[in-house]
Amino acid sequence: DGGITQSPKYLFRKEGQNVTLSCEQNLNHDAMYWYRQDPGQGLRLIYYSQIVNDFQKGDIAEGYSVSREKKESFPLTVTSAQKNPTAFYLCASKEAGAREQFFGPGTRLTVL
Amino acid sequence: AQKVTQAQTEISVVEKEDVTLDCVYETRDTTYYLFWYKQPPSGELVFLIRRNSFDEQNEISGRYSWNFQKSTSSFNFTITASQVVDSAVYFCALSEAPGNKLVFGAGTILRVKS
Repeated sequence: DGGITQSPKYLFRKEGQNVTLSCEQNLNHDAMYWYRQDPGQGLRLIYYSQIVNDFQKGDIAEGYSVSREKKESFPLTVTSAQKNPTAFYLCASKEAGAREQFFGPGTRLTVL
Repeated sequence: AQKVTQAQTEISVVEKEDVTLDCVYETRDTTYYLFWYKQPPSGELVFLIRRNSFDEQNEISGRYSWNFQKSTSSFNFTITASQVVDSAVYFCALSEAPGNKLVFGAGTILRVKS
């Protein structure tokens, strides 16, 4: 089945550790996005990539890093510099020329 | 800067009632796109509808309907004869260039009671 997968669904880390969240899509979409959702708030854009080997910062990029070495993969690293990393992280992708983004199931990160 | 406001934080209705979720947006772009997404308890966002700024026709899809009014910068969503399965968080969003980034409202929690 075509879709977007994010793993793991739940992730626990100790404070000060870097952690990488996975996002894979087999929809052949060109663009991919990472959003963060905090309780009672809408989604905020962290990073996005429109083509392989290229990405841009979103509204809240500080403390995060990404790579886009393959079209189907867009991993997000939450570094120790991110002051409040506990949140729900959603990955999305979009077909070239289309407007709507499609989302993965999300990863809930808890930093202890 | 673009902004989306969903003033209703939470709405509770009884099954079979109609309910309207409000969305007001701000943008300086003449061409823009508006969206509604549903987030059930599982967490994944489900795309419901896209509307571009040149198309003010209302749209109906089953029990769902959308009212887009440029004059008031609103894009409201109505569920007719609500069902328990409609319980979710609903987000309105605006597409921002470059990159077709989405700017989201804070969301409205809809609770439908049987």
